[in-house]
Amino acid sequence: AQSVAQPEDQVNVAEGNPLTVKCTYSVSGNPYLFWYVQYPNRGLQFLLKYITGDNLVKGSYGFEAEFNKSQTSFHLKKPSALVSDSALYFCAVRDSGGTTDSWGKLQFGAGTQVVVTP
Amino acid sequence: KAGVTQTPRYLIKTRGQQVTLSCSPISGHRSVSWYQQTPGQGLQFLFEYFSETQRNKGNFPGRFSGRQFSNSRSEMNVSTLELGDSALYLCASSLGGLRGVTDTQYFGPGTRLTVL
Repeated sequence: AQSVAQPEDQVNVAEGNPLTVKCTYSVSGNPYLFWYVQYPNRGLQFLLKYITGDNLVKGSYGFEAEFNKSQTSFHLKKPSALVSDSALYFCAVRDSGGTTDSWGKLQFGAGTQVVVTP
Repeated sequence: KAGVTQTPRYLIKTRGQQVTLSCSPISGHRSVSWYQQTPGQGLQFLFEYFSETQRNKGNFPGRFSGRQFSNSRSEMNVSTLELGDSALYLCASSLGGLRGVTDTQYFGPGTRLTVL
C-alpha cells in the first residue's frame, strides 16, 4: 500500500522568506513523487516530480524539492516566497511496485495551506 | 496545447437524482483518472480508464461509474445521489502507456457538484 503524510495543515511565512512544505511517504517499491498546487476554485497544477536520478528536483515557478530516501521525505522548497504563492499544496506518491493498484492512481496527502504575508 | 476540460463546471442536484460529468483530456493522452475532493476526505481516487477500459478502481460504491470513448473523452456517472456526494470532481489526463506509473497527471478545473 502507498501513503503520504503532510504533517502541517498550514504554513505561514513572510514574503521574501524561504518556504518549506513537508511531505513523507510510504511505499513498498520505489516511490514516484509529485507536488501539485491548488488555487481557490481551480484544479490542481503540476509543480514537479521525482522519478529517479538527482535527489534535487527543480520545477515550475521557482519551486524545488529534495528527495531523501533514508528519511522517506520529499519536501517542497522555495528560496523566496511571494504573496501569490498562497495556495493549497499537495504531495502525491505512486508506487513503482508494479501492482495494478498504482495504475492511473496518485495517492495524495491531506494538503498544506500556505499563507504568505506581505 | 489545450488543457483538460471538464463540463459542466457547476451542478446542483437533489437527492435520488443521477448526474453525468464529462472530461476531455489533453490531445494525445489516452489515460483519464477521476478523483473526488471533499474537505473531510481530501482527494480520493475514483477510477482510471485507458483505451476505453477501466484499469483501476478506488473504494467507492457501485453508484459511481464511468466510461471512456474511442477519442479518450471520459464521462463519470453518479446514480441515486446522496448528500455526501457533494464534492469537487476532478479529472486528470496522462499519456498512460506502459501502465503509466511515471506519468504526470494534468488536472482539469473540476466540476463542483452540490446535492440538496
